[in-house]
Amino acid sequence: GEDVEQSLFLSVREGDSSVINCTYTDSSSTYLYWYKQEPGAGLQLLTYIFSNMDMKQDQRLTVLLNKKDKHLSLRIADTQTGDSAIYFCAERPGNTPLVFGKGTRLSVIA
Amino acid sequence: DAGITQSPRHKVTETGTPVTLRCHQTENHRYMYWYRQDPGHGLRLIHYSYGVKDTDKGEVSDGYSVSRSKTEDFLLTLESATSSQTSVYFCAISEGLGRGRENNQPQHFGDGTRLSIL
Repeated sequence: GEDVEQSLFLSVREGDSSVINCTYTDSSSTYLYWYKQEPGAGLQLLTYIFSNMDMKQDQRLTVLLNKKDKHLSLRIADTQTGDSAIYFCAERPGNTPLVFGKGTRLSVIA
Repeated sequence: DAGITQSPRHKVTETGTPVTLRCHQTENHRYMYWYRQDPGHGLRLIHYSYGVKDTDKGEVSDGYSVSRSKTEDFLLTLESATSSQTSVYFCAISEGLGRGRENNQPQHFGDGTRLSIL
């Protein structure tokens, strides 16, 4: 079955850039998503990218997509303590519901 | 925020009892989903619905049933709860734009139900 892989933890200093990486398995995925989960809350959609794009930028967020390697990354510029959360990568293989990675816990050190 | 309400937000119950969780949406979205979130497993799909009375199984559907008698409500039932079903349960919705099961819209999540089964 499909499997989305992410590293489990990332620690960065406030003001630095964070890069969260993800690999997915299904080349037919037309959209790839990034969600953020703060403690005690549900998942919040951060951004998504269509598979015919290489890059998408939205304020401090930059998403890079390498379809050949099935690699997706989320870069957060000028990381703040409020960015501390769990970040989930998700793919949609074909016409099925989203398949999520296990999430990367981002810790921002002041 | 998407208009999604999950109830109850917290529940503690005993093994063997039936439990029903409710997801209510005000967005008139076609698709609704139930996930469970557990440490080390991320989010796993239990069941989903692509229309009234149209449902399908997800990755971890054993021990769960669902019903969708109207667009705005999606119920998840544990017929006889077990300790392994202790988890945080999330409902999600998405807008379907295609026919049948086609759906390329992002999912929006509720705030979750924390269920403990003793």
